[in-house]
Amino acid sequence: GENVEQHPSTLSVQEGDSAVIKCTYSDSASNYFPWYKQELGKGPQLIIDIRSNVGEKKDQRIAVTLNKTAKHFSLHITETQPEDSAVYFCAANSGYALNFGKGTSLLVTP
Amino acid sequence: DSGVTQTPKHLITATGQRVTLRCSPRSGDLSVYWYQQSLDQGLQFLIQYYNGEERAKGNILERFSAQQFPDLHSELNLSSLELGDSALYFCASSVSHNTGELFFGEGSRLTVL
Repeated sequence: GENVEQHPSTLSVQEGDSAVIKCTYSDSASNYFPWYKQELGKGPQLIIDIRSNVGEKKDQRIAVTLNKTAKHFSLHITETQPEDSAVYFCAANSGYALNFGKGTSLLVTP
Repeated sequence: DSGVTQTPKHLITATGQRVTLRCSPRSGDLSVYWYQQSLDQGLQFLIQYYNGEERAKGNILERFSAQQFPDLHSELNLSSLELGDSALYFCASSVSHNTGELFFGEGSRLTVL
């Protein structure tokens, strides 16, 4: 089955700095790569996704890049704010399943 | 509010017991996914149903089973419970199979003592 690796597991940045989270996947047939944000006590929520026919997608302060050849994709958060503190998960589809990485705990300190 | 309802929110039981977790998907969503979240394993995909039929299976133990009913709600049955089954169990729903947004419930926290 699909194996999604995510790094780093924890990330601490100062408010205003950028944060980058990286993921790799194993299934070359994967064509959908979403990112989810999970706040304490809640279920994960989609923040951005990218499909295999594009290399980059941006939505305000967040962006995702995809390198299909290398089978890796990244989440970039610019001008981080304390409310960005949460656990972030990458995912990749494989057949009918959607497999998630183990998560990155992001802490943004004022 | 994602529109996905999970019950119960918390459950404490003993080893060897059996429990049933229930999920009501968003109105109109045909797909239901079950995930197990533990501290060291992140979000582990268990199983997916689409319009009543099983479509994908992940690392689901033989002691666990699930089904999706005609009204599209789903149940996850966990039997012969072990201490290691203690985790947060999430249900998610979506309109399509695996290339669209998943809407997660708030989870059912299972504690096995």
